[in-house]
Amino acid sequence: ETGVTQTPRHLVMGMTNKKSLKCEQHLGHNAMYWYKQSAKKPLELMFVYSLEERVENNSVPSRFSPECPNSSHLFLHLHTLQPEDSALYLCASSQVIGETNTGELFFGEGSRLTVL
Amino acid sequence: GQNIDQPTEMTATEGAIVQINCTYQTSGFNGLFWYQQHAGEAPTFLSYNVLDGLEEKGRFSSFLSRSKGYSYLLLKELQMKDSASYLCAVPDISGSARQLTFGSGTQLTVLP
Repeated sequence: ETGVTQTPRHLVMGMTNKKSLKCEQHLGHNAMYWYKQSAKKPLELMFVYSLEERVENNSVPSRFSPECPNSSHLFLHLHTLQPEDSALYLCASSQVIGETNTGELFFGEGSRLTVL
Repeated sequence: GQNIDQPTEMTATEGAIVQINCTYQTSGFNGLFWYQQHAGEAPTFLSYNVLDGLEEKGRFSSFLSRSKGYSYLLLKELQMKDSASYLCAVPDISGSARQLTFGSGTQLTVLP
């Protein structure tokens, strides 16, 4: 496989369920990201793992928790979500060089989440 | 903080030229990206400008003016497959340097 792969592509869950989204990058990059894309809104950065450092958007609710066991894998654990969390969740990776060079982002196809 | 503005929608005719503008306000500057996103698909990289001027890449060109906080994406010889959302993005160097802030995207519709 090449690039950035995400599973599942589609997920429907109830508000009391616990599920996880998975992302894997095969590009040898040193940074991975979770973005949320809602209709008519900009891509919203949720979490970054870069050079073994985690950065998070303070507006992301605690019902979303990321996990990055190594530089190639990234998870987003979901629990007690709300209907407004329904969105496309995009994983991306890049090669970070130094403090300011983010490099080009390579996105996965996304996981379409519907919360009932 | 970061602020990025781009038109919500544009329509153009097949074979024509279209210019998609983007204005930004940032506390610092480390380049500007353009991405293309077809409906139901992931965004894909189009261009990266860090210096002023026009960079051409086939039918697509991207322009940057750092002094004006302005960029545009120029699409020539439009094809139906160019119908997509075009996203302008700038790196955030105010806190963590390792993230992009995206505009809301410009939905381009190419008509026959």
